[in-house]
Amino acid sequence: DTAVSQTPKYLVTQMGNDKSIKCEQNLGHDTMYWYKQDSKKFLKIMFSYNNKELIINETVPNRFSPKSPDKAHLNLHINSLELGDSAVYFCASGASGEPDTQYFGPGTRLTVL
Amino acid sequence: AQSVTQLGSHVSVSEGALVLLRCNYSSSVPPYLFWYVQYPNQGLQLLLKYTTGATLVKGINGFEAEFKKSETSFHLTKPSAHMSDAAEYFCAVSHGTSYGKLTFGQGTILTVHP
Repeated sequence: DTAVSQTPKYLVTQMGNDKSIKCEQNLGHDTMYWYKQDSKKFLKIMFSYNNKELIINETVPNRFSPKSPDKAHLNLHINSLELGDSAVYFCASGASGEPDTQYFGPGTRLTVL
Repeated sequence: AQSVTQLGSHVSVSEGALVLLRCNYSSSVPPYLFWYVQYPNQGLQLLLKYTTGATLVKGINGFEAEFKKSETSFHLTKPSAHMSDAAEYFCAVSHGTSYGKLTFGQGTILTVHP
C-alpha cells in the first residue's frame, strides 16, 4: 500500500565504500526525484527523471549515479562514500500533469563513518 | 532563480492557540507554492499547494495558506493548534514549468505546549 518506498531505511558504512539506495513508487507517476536533507534539515534536489530520462542534475558529484530501470523505480548509487555524504536521502514522485506536486518516501538515513 | 525564506526556525504555541508559520518567496515568474510537513523520522507530506486561482487554499488537518503576491508571502495558519501538529514545516516554491524543481525553505519546527 505504500505509495513511495525506499530501502534501506538506515545505512551505516565506511568511507570509501560503494552503496545503493532503492526507490519504488506505485502511484503510476512518470517523474521521480532524489533529494538530500543535510544535518541542518536543509532539503535540496539532486536529480529528477521523467520517463526514465534525466531531467534535472543539480551539480551533484559524479560519485552519485541515479539509475531508472523503469518509470516506477529510481535507484541511487554512490561510489567512494565520503563523510560529507552522511544525510537523509528522500525519493519522491510526481505526475506529468502536476510535476511540482511531489510525494515523498520515508527517507534513508545514510551514515558514513 | 527562486528562493524561499521561512521566518523563525522555531515556533512555540499553546494547544488551542493560533498557528502562524511565515514564508516569503522570491521568483521571477508566477510561482507555485507548497507547504509540506515532516513528522519525526518520516518523509514529507504535502499539506497544501497554490498554483493558480483562489489565493486562499485549504489543506489537510485544518491548515490553510494565503498567497499574497504584493507581499511575496505564503503564510501557513491554523486557528487552533493540536498536540499532533508538532512537527517541522517546509515551504517550497517552483515555477510550474521545470519538471518539479522545488526549492525549499529551511524549515520551521512547531512545538505545541499543553
